[in-house]
Amino acid sequence: QKEVEQNSGPLSVPEGAIASLNCTYSDRGSQSFFWYRQYSGKSPELIMSIYSNGDKEDGRFTAQLNKASQYVSLLIRDSQPSDSATYLCAMANQAGTALIFGKGTTLSVSS
Amino acid sequence: GAGVSQTPSNKVTEKGKYVELRCDPISGHTALYWYRQSLGQGPEFLIYFQGTGAADDSGLPNDRFFAVRPEGSVSTLKIQRTERGDSAVYLCASSLGRGQNTEAFFGQGTRLTVV
Repeated sequence: QKEVEQNSGPLSVPEGAIASLNCTYSDRGSQSFFWYRQYSGKSPELIMSIYSNGDKEDGRFTAQLNKASQYVSLLIRDSQPSDSATYLCAMANQAGTALIFGKGTTLSVSS
Repeated sequence: GAGVSQTPSNKVTEKGKYVELRCDPISGHTALYWYRQSLGQGPEFLIYFQGTGAADDSGLPNDRFFAVRPEGSVSTLKIQRTERGDSAVYLCASSLGRGQNTEAFFGQGTRLTVV
């Protein structure tokens, strides 16, 4: 069973802090990973994709991938109350036909 | 259109009835996906279309679920003899092509409630 594991949280951070969201996966054959943000009652919104080992930065967001450890993370710098949401980690299956999602981590940023 | 469009936004149906959920993907996107999301869970894959054909239907839970995409654009997810356990948000996503590196974008979902 190919799985993506995330701590459900909630993860609480003060405004301006760095939020660190983590994800592990079981399928060594997967090459592509995605972070989606989902506000309550809304659909998932793609915020980052990462395919290679190392870091990928986009504004306040940095995705990190370590294929040897089967670990993906998302760092949010200067966290804002508007970042409060559930963050879903997903990996593409080897055929590239589906995304396998974790259950999501709920982030709460307090002002 | 600008984004993935799903209709209806909400659907309430009685147990045993038939329902159809519609998805209009982003213009030019050849790949289309259906997912189902229950409360507190991540989206669960149902089916993937590349063009008109269902290239991967391994996520369909049973033969009550069926999806079509006859002209390679709009897709319809069909659920026969609905059960209360089918209640969930049904999400449609589309992407430019296929392959692991393809980024998928979701519609706003259809919330299905079976009473």
